[in-house]
Amino acid sequence: TQLLEQSPQFLSIQEGENLTVYCNSSSVFSSLQWYRQEPGEGPVLLVTVVTGGEVKKLKRLTFQFGDARKDSSLHITAAQPGDTGLYLCAGDSNYQLIWGAGTKLIIKP
Amino acid sequence: DTGVSQNPRHKITKRGQNVTFRCDPISEHNRLYWYRQTLGQGPEFLTYFQNEAQLEKSRLLSDRFSAERPKGSFSTLEIQRTEQGDSAMYLCASSSPRGQGDEKLFFGSGTQLSVL
Repeated sequence: TQLLEQSPQFLSIQEGENLTVYCNSSSVFSSLQWYRQEPGEGPVLLVTVVTGGEVKKLKRLTFQFGDARKDSSLHITAAQPGDTGLYLCAGDSNYQLIWGAGTKLIIKP
Repeated sequence: DTGVSQNPRHKITKRGQNVTFRCDPISEHNRLYWYRQTLGQGPEFLTYFQNEAQLEKSRLLSDRFSAERPKGSFSTLEIQRTEQGDSAMYLCASSSPRGQGDEKLFFGSGTQLSVL
C-alpha cells in the first residue's frame, strides 16, 4: 500500500517566521503535487514537481522534490496570515493520486 | 468556465434517508473524481470516471454509495440509507491529464453532509 506521510500534522507560528513542512513516502511517484485548502473549500493546486531534485518557487513558497522522487518539502519564507490553511501533498502513481493527511498551518499576526 | 461546481453546498439529513449530490466539472475535462474528506484528514478516494465510464471504485466504499456520469458531463453521487458515519465533506474534482505525471485536479467547493 502506498502511503504519503506529512509532517508536522499541525504548525502554529508567528507572522514573519520561516517554516518547512514535509511529505515522505517509501514509494516512487511520477510527480508530486502540493495543494492548499481553506476551511469549507476544496483543495487548490499550488505546484506540481516532476523531476527528481526539482525546485520550484512560487513567490515566498519553495517546493523541492527529492532526488529519488519519494519525498518533497515545502518551505515558506516570512509567513503571512494569508498562508494559513491545510497543506496537502499528493503523489501521482499510475494515473491515481495518493494523498497525505495534510499539515494544518496557522500563521498568527 | 467558472470551474467545478457542486450542489448543494450543505445538506442536513436524518439517518436512513437517501441523499444525492451533483457535480458539474470543467467542461473540457474528461476525468471526474469523487472524494470524501473528514476534519483534519486528506481526501479519501471514492470513485472516478473517464468520460461516462466508471473506471474505479474504492474497495472501502459501501454498496449504499453509487455514482453516475450518464453523458460524460455532470455526475451525481447518491448515498442510500445514510448513517451518521457518512457525515463528511464530499468533494468532486475534474482533470484532463496529457500523460503520466500530469494529473492535476481542480476541485469544487464540496458538499458538507451532516447526518443526524
